[in-house]
Amino acid sequence: GAVVSQHPSRVICKSGTSVKIECRSLDFQATTMFWYRQFPKQSLMLMATSNEGSKATYEQGVEKDKFLINHASLTLSTLTVTSAHPEDSSFYICSAHRAGATEAFFGQGTRLTVV
Amino acid sequence: AQSVTQLGSHVSVSEGALVLLRCNYSSSVPPYLFWYVQYPNQGLQLLLKYTSAATLVKGINGFEAEFKKSETSFHLTKPSAHMSDAAEYFCAVSTWVGNNDMRFGAGTRLTVKP
Repeated sequence: GAVVSQHPSRVICKSGTSVKIECRSLDFQATTMFWYRQFPKQSLMLMATSNEGSKATYEQGVEKDKFLINHASLTLSTLTVTSAHPEDSSFYICSAHRAGATEAFFGQGTRLTVV
Repeated sequence: AQSVTQLGSHVSVSEGALVLLRCNYSSSVPPYLFWYVQYPNQGLQLLLKYTSAATLVKGINGFEAEFKKSETSFHLTKPSAHMSDAAEYFCAVSTWVGNNDMRFGAGTRLTVKP
């Protein structure tokens, strides 16, 4: 199967600090990775699409400088929430796409709480 | 642009009863359609997908869905609900295998009563 590991699963940080979330494809090379944000009792909102070795493509309304995405290898993408504030508290989910597959594979999600 | 509408944010059934979760899609090109399940504080698990092959798609855990182009629907069903089916279910649509245009419905919370 295709396994995507997201780490950490849960993080609490102080307001003003930065937090990095990792998304790894464990048994396949991910040509594209996606980052989503999910508010309580709501659906997933696509934040950005990242392709290995190139800049991420952000959805409208998502702050590029706030949510830094790096996709340095075919198995790892990171999302860094910079200068986090309480309103950034949310559930963040990544997914990874394998070339030739008809769906993306999701990580377990990261619950971010900013205090 | 494509979109999905899930009718009913909350569905409650008794254990052993039929489960029917509704999803209607909108797409200007032939769509790929998906149903995912999400348990609390977890990511999404793919239940099944339609990728222009058979219109009746069977997935995991006894779920199935039928693609009906004339009705632009992709409803999810299970003949007999189990307590472990209680979760949030999301319908999603995309127009190419890369999934960067995947759009999710608002979700339906399924409750199963004993």
